[in-house]
Amino acid sequence: DTEVTQTPKHLVMGMTNKKSLKCEQHMGHRAMYWYKQKAKKPPELMFVYSYEKLSINESVPSRFSPECPNSSLLNLHLHALQPEDSALYLCASSQEKGGTSLGADTQYFGPGTRLTVL
Amino acid sequence: AQKVTQAQTEISVVEKEDVTLDCVYETRDTTYYLFWYKQPPSGELVFLIRRNSFDEQNEISGRYSWNFQKSTSSFNFTITASQVVDSAVYFCALSAWDTGANSKLTFGKGITLSVRP
Repeated sequence: DTEVTQTPKHLVMGMTNKKSLKCEQHMGHRAMYWYKQKAKKPPELMFVYSYEKLSINESVPSRFSPECPNSSLLNLHLHALQPEDSALYLCASSQEKGGTSLGADTQYFGPGTRLTVL
Repeated sequence: AQKVTQAQTEISVVEKEDVTLDCVYETRDTTYYLFWYKQPPSGELVFLIRRNSFDEQNEISGRYSWNFQKSTSSFNFTITASQVVDSAVYFCALSAWDTGANSKLTFGKGITLSVRP
């Protein structure tokens, strides 16, 4: 089972709202990722958690706040977003066995959340 | 630094035609991994293949085949007898470590494949 789930599928929010995106995997993977994808562009990495610790933060604005409550869950808290933040937000996970360098394993992606900021 | 070039941006074929999607990569690392992902209109990125830099064997999976050539830094993807369901954006991606201990996936810009009935 290579399933990564994301909720909600679609989200419309105003610039003053606070919302959260959720991601879950039950494959026993120890690395989880958030990507942002604009139309007709490749995904851009935002954050990586490895063994529930933040490993990579790609200089993302503080209005995006990631959280990894446990090895199966990954959240992205959104606050005071701008219209240009409208995009598809993809979550992914990979196995990352101990001793393996981050990035060696296949990343499995969820279906994404389509976010519109008004 | 790593780079992935997918020079073709859009390809349109008629069903049952064969089509090859090109991917050229750059890295200074000797150990690296190459991937292909499919993104249908629904948005989910679907994993197709992972290949490490030490395994140059070509791979075939049903109608899909991949040709990895280190000499030309290419990892091309061929769909034989294309079908309408193959219509999607296809991304080639590279994971290497020449910029540090942690690697991230470097994606190409993607190729939009349209298969007409």
